[in-house]
Amino acid sequence: KAGVTQTPRYLIKTRGQQVTLSCSPISGHRSVSWYQQTPGQGLQFLFEYFSETQRNKGNFPGRFSGRQFSNSRSEMNVSTLELGDSALYLCASSYSYEQFFGPGTRLTVL
Amino acid sequence: QKEVEQDPGPLSVPEGAIVSLNCTYSNSAFQYFMWYRQYSRKGPELLMYTYSSGNKEDGRFTAQVDKSSKYISLFIRDSQPSDSATYLCAMSAEVRRALTFGSGTRLQVQP
Repeated sequence: KAGVTQTPRYLIKTRGQQVTLSCSPISGHRSVSWYQQTPGQGLQFLFEYFSETQRNKGNFPGRFSGRQFSNSRSEMNVSTLELGDSALYLCASSYSYEQFFGPGTRLTVL
Repeated sequence: QKEVEQDPGPLSVPEGAIVSLNCTYSNSAFQYFMWYRQYSRKGPELLMYTYSSGNKEDGRFTAQVDKSSKYISLFIRDSQPSDSATYLCAMSAEVRRALTFGSGTRLQVQP
């Protein structure tokens, strides 16, 4: 069974731009969560989607948004990028209690 | 103060040693406790999952949860160089919901 895939793996943007990251969950998994990982703050929860509905949201500004499609694939968008948005963005899919993580998208904001 | 505290290390041990990794937490609503292993440039991989208090063993790994002390541990027996990674504790109040992670402990097992 294929794991969680995330595209792109690496991304370089400049301040003020916007970015869209994509996540394809494991087949059959309907829950997709997004996390931000930085050296200073560690892994922090962004939001979770289940059956195209946002079920839970972390403490991030409105510049961070996401959506989920009918095939469970998910995207997250960050608008008006700031230097502090440089991070590894991880997507996790789950069927029951276990969350399977993808390899992440490393975003660098210059 | 963070909800979950974890010593960042680094922790360096010789091959074959028993490793003890720990986290403390402040939110008494946490009921689901996990340990993830993360290799460099990879996503976290679930090692152990425990519900409420108690012990769970899987091969060389043992997870312990003491809810009364708000303290969880991961023990690695007969540590191997391939165990060198960052170990993250994670917990949640409800199943399949948002995980709150510790900052991770970097472990180096010396051959």
